[in-house]
Amino acid sequence: EVQLVESGGGLIQPGGSLRLSCAASGFTVSSNYMSWVRQAPGKGLEWVSVIYSGGTTYYADSVKGRFTISRDNSKNTLYLQMNSLRPEDTAVYYCARSDGYTSGWCFDYWGQGTLVTVSS
Amino acid sequence: SYELTQPLSVSVALGQTARITCGGNNIGSKNVHWYQQKPGQAPVLVIYRDSNRPSGIPERFSGSNSGNTATLTIRRAQAGDEADYYCQVWNSGTGVFGGGTKLTVL
Repeated sequence: EVQLVESGGGLIQPGGSLRLSCAASGFTVSSNYMSWVRQAPGKGLEWVSVIYSGGTTYYADSVKGRFTISRDNSKNTLYLQMNSLRPEDTAVYYCARSDGYTSGWCFDYWGQGTLVTVSS
Repeated sequence: SYELTQPLSVSVALGQTARITCGGNNIGSKNVHWYQQKPGQAPVLVIYRDSNRPSGIPERFSGSNSGNTATLTIRRAQAGDEADYYCQVWNSGTGVFGGGTKLTVL
């Protein structure tokens, strides 16, 4: 059974750093595209970042240069290092798996999300 | 950057058909995915690659995509279909979500 479990969220002051983790089971993280998607309180979904199976990464303009996506193949875990955090980064952060070419890389599995609150 | 436009809200009478649109420049050339999100829950995939249903999604859910508009259709709407719905595509390596549509079942 595929499972994604995020952790690492919490309250952080503006300008601070936080690292989110997403522990995967039931599949191999390095064989799939893996993304972070966030949702500010009362707002819609916002795609944040992706790491392809080959290691290529992409970021939303809103986080480029501040966030870094990575994975640890030995731990089958996805990460999001978030630096220079701003109040507008406050959101529930979801990790999501993208299925392969035949499904158009849709997000077929999602974690339960972890809340990041940036406030002084 | 690529943008997807959805209506903020759609209302449908119980048992009738709801249609939620997703507009984007030449969206018909892209694979469109649709997600359902209920309050306090993670999104759930309901349609992938324009018109395909994942296992476990009722046949009442269908999708189409052509030109500049993709559409999610929900037939025989039920109270349990009340939720936020998001369309999503990939554009130049980056993910893009529509702003979301709140479906109300009257």
